[in-house]
Parts: sequence; structure tokens; C-alpha cells
Amino acid sequence: DVKVTQSSRYLVKRTGEKVFLECVQDMDHENMFWYRQDPGLGLRLIYFSYDVKMKEKGDIPEGYSVSREKKERFSLILESASTNQTSMYLCASRVGGPIYEQYFGPGTRLTVT
Amino acid sequence: GENVEQHPSTLSVQEGDSAVIKCTYSDSASNYFPWYKQELGKRPQLIIDIRSNVGEKKDQRIAVTLNKTAKHFSLHITETQPEDSAVYFCAASRDLNYGGSQGNLIFGKGTKLSVKP
Repeated sequence: DVKVTQSSRYLVKRTGEKVFLECVQDMDHENMFWYRQDPGLGLRLIYFSYDVKMKEKGDIPEGYSVSREKKERFSLILESASTNQTSMYLCASRVGGPIYEQYFGPGTRLTVT
Repeated sequence: GENVEQHPSTLSVQEGDSAVIKCTYSDSASNYFPWYKQELGKRPQLIIDIRSNVGEKKDQRIAVTLNKTAKHFSLHITETQPEDSAVYFCAASRDLNYGGSQGNLIFGKGTKLSVKP
């Protein structure tokens, strides 16, 4: 049974703080993703990684960075949090190659005040 | 790049009725089309998917149809039940063998389905 976990379900931070969101998967998946979910906007891809140490920008990377030092862990970093980054953040992982199902984590509801 | 449009954004049906959610995509090279269900406060989960070499796929009360010529695909839920109430997302992608970002899923904006008892 695939398990994708995220470090926090709820997080409240102040404007200007550096924020770390962690995602861990236990199924040896090559590919990992960070999405942002906002009402009416669906799931928007922030960053993704197809391998350790590899990262690529998604559709809305501005204000974010990522780190993937180990295969099972993919971190999203908000260098200087702003109120417009208040959102639900979802991590996902999948096996690399022709198997397509993405498994999502439970999400982190981040509020920046 | 690929764009996926999903309609309607909200859908309300009576228990026992059918529900249909439609998506269109722009990239004719897309060949994988999954549907995810997200219940309130929970993570999205895959409920059914279809590849471009198949026109229709069924799994109990849910079915997905694909029209590659028209570049649209639909989710059909029959005999709806209150537990079908959720947000449904369609998505499209190319084969991962293309490499890079072209293997990523492009999601529609979601449909909030409400099933009234």
C-alpha cells in the first residue's frame, strides 16, 4: 500500500518567514511533485522531480524552491512567505516509466498572516 | 502546451440519477486520461483511467468514454449515492517516454458533485 506523508496538516506562518514543507513516500517512487490547490483553480504544478537531485519548474514556481537529496523525500521551500501563498499544498509521487498513477499526500493547509 | 477544460464546475443531482462530467484537451498527442476523486478534507485518489487505444472503460457504476477525434473524454456515474459527493478532477498527459515535463498530468479545474438524498 503506497503511502505518501506530509510533515504537517496545518501550518500558520508570518509574512517573510522561511517555510519548509516536507513530503515522504515509502514506495521507492522515482517521480515526485508539489501542487498547490485553490478553489476554482484546480491543481497547479509548482515543481517536480524525476530523480534524486533533479528538479524542474512547473507552471507556478515563482516564490518557491525545492530540494530532493534523497529518493523518498521532496521538500518545498517558501523563501519568504507572503499572504498570497496561503493555500493547500499537495505532494504526489509515482513510479517512473509507463505506470501513471499518482499517489497524493494528505495535504498541508498553509496560512500566511 | 496542453490545456484541459472541465465542465460543469458544479453539479447537483438526486440520489439514483446519473451524473456526467466532461473534459476537453488541446494536445492531440495526449494518450492517458485519469479521473481523480477528492472527498472533503481528503487527498485526491484515482478512480478510473483510460488510455488512447480504448474508447470506453467501465468499473461498476463509473465509466469513462474517450473521443480522440473530438479531443474530449467524459466521466459517467450511474445510480449516484450520497457518498459520490466530492470534487472530481480530470487530467491528461502524454506518454512518459517523451521525457521531461511532457509526462506530467495536466488537471482540469474540478467539478463539485453534490448528490442529494
